[in-house]
Amino acid sequence: EDQVTQSPEALRLQEGESSSLNCSYTVSGLRGLFWYRQDPGKGPEFLFTLYSAGEEKEKERLKATLTKKESFLHITAPKPEDSATYLCAVQRGTGGTSYGKLTFGQGTILTVHP
Amino acid sequence: DTGVSQDPRHKITKRGQNVTFRCDPISEHNRLYWYRQTLGQGPEFLTYFQNEAQLEKSRLLSDRFSAERPKGSFSTLEIQRTEQGDSAMYLCASSLGNPIWVGELFFGEGSRLTVL
Repeated sequence: EDQVTQSPEALRLQEGESSSLNCSYTVSGLRGLFWYRQDPGKGPEFLFTLYSAGEEKEKERLKATLTKKESFLHITAPKPEDSATYLCAVQRGTGGTSYGKLTFGQGTILTVHP
Repeated sequence: DTGVSQDPRHKITKRGQNVTFRCDPISEHNRLYWYRQTLGQGPEFLTYFQNEAQLEKSRLLSDRFSAERPKGSFSTLEIQRTEQGDSAMYLCASSLGNPIWVGELFFGEGSRLTVL
């Protein structure tokens, strides 16, 4: 069974205080690892896809990295508008089973204070 | 607006009643997904369609749940004989997937179900 664990569960930062969110995963052959952002009462919004260990993607103040067992979402000089829940998800690539399913972690609730 | 739309946004029902949710995906997307999310948890996969074919259904999904996507356009998710444990946010998403790739999912804003 695929498993995704995110830490910490909640993170409170001051504006400008950089930090990282962690996503640890176990999956039978990783086809893709995804990061999403979710605002309260809304559906998740796609941020990044990472395909293989060593890959990095950047978008504004966010940078996602991937190793063979975990992914990090680095937030540089965050602003209050970065406050949201950040979700990590994986798609398996082997085992002859589902190619339509993403397995999500429980998310990290990020709060950035001005 | 060309995003994924869901209806209704909120539904309150009594235990034992049937409910139906509708999802209209992004028009050019061939894949449509249903996920369920409870408070403090990430979305949990329920089922997905490639065009009009339902290709997978979670084994966690009881027989009270059924989904359709006639003509490969909109989709409906019906829950029969609702139970309090069905209370959750039901999320629909669509993507341009292929046989081995989910693709980036575009989610709707969800339909929140409360079962009294």
